[in-house]
Amino acid sequence: ETGVTQTPRHLVMGMTNKKSLKCEQHLGHNAMYWYKQSAKKPLELMFVYNFKEQTENNSVPSRFSPECPNSSHLFLHLHTLQPEDSALYLCASTRDATEAFFGQGTRLTVV
Amino acid sequence: RKEVEQDPGPFNVPEGATVAFNCTYSNSASQSFFWYRQDCRKEPKLLMSVYSSGNEDGRFTAQLNRASQYISLLIRDSKLSDSATYLCVVNGRDDKIIFGKGTRLHILP
Repeated sequence: ETGVTQTPRHLVMGMTNKKSLKCEQHLGHNAMYWYKQSAKKPLELMFVYNFKEQTENNSVPSRFSPECPNSSHLFLHLHTLQPEDSALYLCASTRDATEAFFGQGTRLTVV
Repeated sequence: RKEVEQDPGPFNVPEGATVAFNCTYSNSASQSFFWYRQDCRKEPKLLMSVYSSGNEDGRFTAQLNRASQYISLLIRDSKLSDSATYLCVVNGRDDKIIFGKGTRLHILP
């Protein structure tokens, strides 16, 4: 248990659905990250938030919409996804870009 | 030059052998360096931090070479359970962490 909690752990959604992934940490970290990892592929950074402000959007399609209401919570809103968006979505948090703590991930399948 | 570069492997190494990985980074101002391990279909987990003076944890030794801007990981007496992907992590520009794409290690019986 790293102190970073992601829900749900598994999600199956249709291409017309709208769903949200949630990440929560109470470690006092100031930065939170969304990563995508497709099968047998490296981690792909999607978004970075630092003190609730988005500091990086790594050319992510608009069908992925992040939200960071406070330093402890991070959401990823999903709508009209494609089958190629099926992947493991990982959330991480850091304090001042030091050790990263990861959640266990949400395994997303788009059908 | 990419911010963090690693040889993707795979490294196929017999059990009991010693294996070493390097990772290069581009930002000379980086201050924090780490090695993470990721098992198949799991989240990355911290293996060890890398300190300027080098550090050792059991069979694992990490070293930093600031002049050449690389970090290394040495695994001695490798075990089957060491099979995983090893990720190099550096804090980059704008004070965010950067992950390398990982080096795959297969320990062969």
